[in-house]
Amino acid sequence: GESVGLHLPTLSVQEGDNSIINCAYSNSASDYFIWYKQESGKGPQFIIDIRSNMDKRQGQRVTVLLNKTVKHLSLQIAATQPGDSAVYFCAESRAGGSYIPTFGRGTSLIVHP
Amino acid sequence: EAQVTQNPRYLITVTGKKLTVTCSQNMNHEYMSWYRQDPGLGLRQIYYSMNVEVTDKGDVPEGYKVSRKEKRNFPLILESPSPNQTSLYFCASRTGQNLQETQYFGPGTRLLVL
Repeated sequence: GESVGLHLPTLSVQEGDNSIINCAYSNSASDYFIWYKQESGKGPQFIIDIRSNMDKRQGQRVTVLLNKTVKHLSLQIAATQPGDSAVYFCAESRAGGSYIPTFGRGTSLIVHP
Repeated sequence: EAQVTQNPRYLITVTGKKLTVTCSQNMNHEYMSWYRQDPGLGLRQIYYSMNVEVTDKGDVPEGYKVSRKEKRNFPLILESPSPNQTSLYFCASRTGQNLQETQYFGPGTRLLVL
């Protein structure tokens, strides 16, 4: 299957800064995307999702942007806090047929106080 | 508390010794799945189940078996573990097949096969 990848394996930011984590996908048929947060020693936790009929979706302090033209997805975290330190990864899937998501490798976000 | 539980959390075993990792959810979810997570590869789906007695292969099913005799439990079975199955395993569940339903992950089981 086609892959989903991340541009930056590690991102270091200062507390209070905004963080941007990027993800590239290669399957143009993908129509559903999810961002997960994984803290050390824990399972992935859903953050936010977006369907391909949207280009932006906002949650609490997080925004996901989808650019279908260049097959690019980003997660923006506003006013990053030390508790945001974790690995973030995106996943993509398609509405039709069985649902076998494809996950990216992950970006480690380190927030310095 | 709504949760997905896995046991054991850590396991060291030897090649060829059959093992089972249990997974249980208390949310009455129909859809359950197993993933493995390896450095540099991300999560890969092993098997999934859309309901009781309904299971299907994911991306990497070789060397694994699953069963779904009841809705809440979805054990992962390694009949003859090999070192390449050393990995971090996650069980997950969600209500159904609707893609927009949140998937809940268990805490993970770290397996080392010697």
